[in-house]
Amino acid sequence: KNEVEQSPQNLTAQEGEFITINCSYSVGISALHWLQQHPGGGIVSLFMLSSGKKKHGRLIATINIQEKHSSLHITASHPRDSAVYICAVGRGGSQGNLIFGKGTKLSVKP
Amino acid sequence: GAGVSQSPRYKVTKRGQDVALRCDPISGHVSLYWYRQALGQGPEFLTYFNYEAQQDKSGLPNDRFSAERPEGSISTLTIQRTEQRDSAMYRCASSLSGQPYNEQFFGPGTRLTVL
Repeated sequence: KNEVEQSPQNLTAQEGEFITINCSYSVGISALHWLQQHPGGGIVSLFMLSSGKKKHGRLIATINIQEKHSSLHITASHPRDSAVYICAVGRGGSQGNLIFGKGTKLSVKP
Repeated sequence: GAGVSQSPRYKVTKRGQDVALRCDPISGHVSLYWYRQALGQGPEFLTYFNYEAQQDKSGLPNDRFSAERPEGSISTLTIQRTEQRDSAMYRCASSLSGQPYNEQFFGPGTRLTVL
C-alpha cells in the first residue's frame, strides 16, 4: 500500500463545477503539500499546510491531522484548471524530502 | 531571480553509456532535492543535499546512481552504465531550508530516454 493515496485518479468535470480531490496518508507528517503539474510537465507548489485550511483564489485546501486526510477543492472550475494535482507529504522530523501520491488528472470541459 | 533550471532538458542515450544531469537551484536555497518521475506516476525521492552535504541518499535505486553538490550550489546526478529502466523524467527542486514545511520549487526536469 502506498504511503500517500489520492482519489480519484482521473476526474472530468464541466466548467463551473465544484471539484474535490482527496489525499490520505499513512505516515506521521510535518507538512502536506498540494502541487499542480501542468500539461507541459512543470510542477508548481499550490499549498503547504500542517493544520486547518488555506485558501488562494478559487482553490481551498484542508487537512485533518487526526484522520490523516486532506482535500483540495476548486470552486467554479475552468478549463485552465486542467492539470494533474499531486499530494505530497513531508515526514515528521527534520527531513525535507517529500513522499508523493500518484496524482489526480483533472480535465475541465467548457 | 531565475527559478530552478536543469540541463539538458532532453537526453537520449544508448544503454551502457554514462549520463550526467545538472541542476542549478534558486540562488541562496540551502536544500536541493532530486526526484524521478515515471510516466503517469508521481515523483519519487532519490536524494537530497543541505549545502554541499548529502543528507539522504536512500532513494537512489542502486550504486549506478550518484549525486554531488560540491560547492553547495549546482548539483549533478550521474547515472553510470544506463539501462532502459532508467528512462524517466528526472526532477530537481530546491528550498530555502531542509524543513518539510518549506515550499519546494521545481525545475522543468530532464527527460532521459535510454535506448
